[in-house]
Amino acid sequence: DVKVTQSSRYLVKRTGEKVFLECVQDMDHENMFWYRQDPGLGLRLIYFSYDVKMKEKGDIPEGYSVSREKKERFSLILESASTNQTSMYLCASSPSTSGATDTQYFGPGTRLTVL
Amino acid sequence: GESVGLHLPTLSVQEGDNSIINCAYSNSASDYFIWYKQESGKGPQFIIDIRSNMDKRQGQRVTVLLNKTVKHLSLQIAATQPGDSAVYFCAENRAPNTGKLIFGQGTTLQVKP
Repeated sequence: DVKVTQSSRYLVKRTGEKVFLECVQDMDHENMFWYRQDPGLGLRLIYFSYDVKMKEKGDIPEGYSVSREKKERFSLILESASTNQTSMYLCASSPSTSGATDTQYFGPGTRLTVL
Repeated sequence: GESVGLHLPTLSVQEGDNSIINCAYSNSASDYFIWYKQESGKGPQFIIDIRSNMDKRQGQRVTVLLNKTVKHLSLQIAATQPGDSAVYFCAENRAPNTGKLIFGQGTTLQVKP
């Protein structure tokens, strides 16, 4: 089974803090994704990565950055957390863009609250 | 613009009945569709997928139907159980081989005992 893990299930931070959310997948997937999920807005893509050290902006990258130094790990960074970044953050991975499937497998999510 | 939508935000069914959850999509270039289930406090879980060269695909108690003519996708759950209570999302690939998906808003399935 594909396993995607996220470093924290719940996180509370203060405005202005730098926040790191970590994601690890164990299936040697090439693609990794960060989403945020908010009521009424569904899943919105923040950043994604097709390969190590490669990243591309998604639909809502403002206020976020990412890092992918190793294939299995994809980190989301909030440079200076703000209250409007309070949300559920979901990490996902998928095999490859050149493969026959685009199925994304999700981690359990991190519920971040910024005070 | 591109969008994936669900017809009903909440669906309530009796335990043992069949459930049908619908989804409309607008991107004619999409060739891959997925249904996810998300239980409260958890991440979305893959249920079943279908490629555009198929009209129907069956899994264990679930069936996905694809009607490309009207850009409509549905998920049928047979003999719905309390454990099926969750939010169900459809998703489509934004374009073939991009790896990126567009997600619908989700339908909440409530199973009454």
